[in-house]
Amino acid sequence: QVHLVESGGGLVKPGGSLRLSCAASGFTFSDYYLTWIRQAPGKGLEWLSYISSTGETKYYADSVKGRFTVSRDNAKNSLYVQMNSLRAEDTAVYYCARLSFGELWSWFDSWGQGTLVTVSS
Amino acid sequence: QSVLTQPPSVSGAPGQRVTISCTGSSSNIGAGYDVHWYQQLPGTAPKLLIFASNSRPSGVPDRFSGSKSGTSASLAITGLQAEDEADYYCQSYDISLNGVLFGGGTKVTVL
Repeated sequence: QVHLVESGGGLVKPGGSLRLSCAASGFTFSDYYLTWIRQAPGKGLEWLSYISSTGETKYYADSVKGRFTVSRDNAKNSLYVQMNSLRAEDTAVYYCARLSFGELWSWFDSWGQGTLVTVSS
Repeated sequence: QSVLTQPPSVSGAPGQRVTISCTGSSSNIGAGYDVHWYQQLPGTAPKLLIFASNSRPSGVPDRFSGSKSGTSASLAITGLQAEDEADYYCQSYDISLNGVLFGGGTKVTVL
């Protein structure tokens, strides 16, 4: 059974940094592309980034490009996102999700439970 | 502002049929990219409901169905049940943005 568990959320001041992790189990981690998606309180879903199975290819939404960096460690079955220069509008629940196959037009077939990031002074 | 447009809310009585539209453009749905749908029950993470416009993952009841035509897609729920109360999101890919798009979400209320 596929299992994705995010961690690392919390309260951070504007301009600060935070690193989120996503621990995966139940599937061959190195075979899959992964993404980060967030949901601001009471709002809809926003796709943030994508990383290929090897970690060589990465894409970012314009809203986080230059501030967020996605990475993965296939030996540890873990996905990460380093978030810098955080703003109040980055406050959201952050989900990691698995792409069904390695194209951005595919679907997200498994999701974690999310971790809350709050950016506030 | 989402480039995929969904109605904010739809409602229906138990047993009725409701549909949710997802309107895109020539750079996403109209370009031939599939539409996928997710169900988000209150307080939980989204769950894949429909993929590749009209396919259901294992375990999803056949009360849920999807369709796509031109620059739009639709999710239909037949035989509406109380447990269908949730937010529903459509998703596609946009070639001009080179990124993933979600619709703004539709809240389904069972009367």
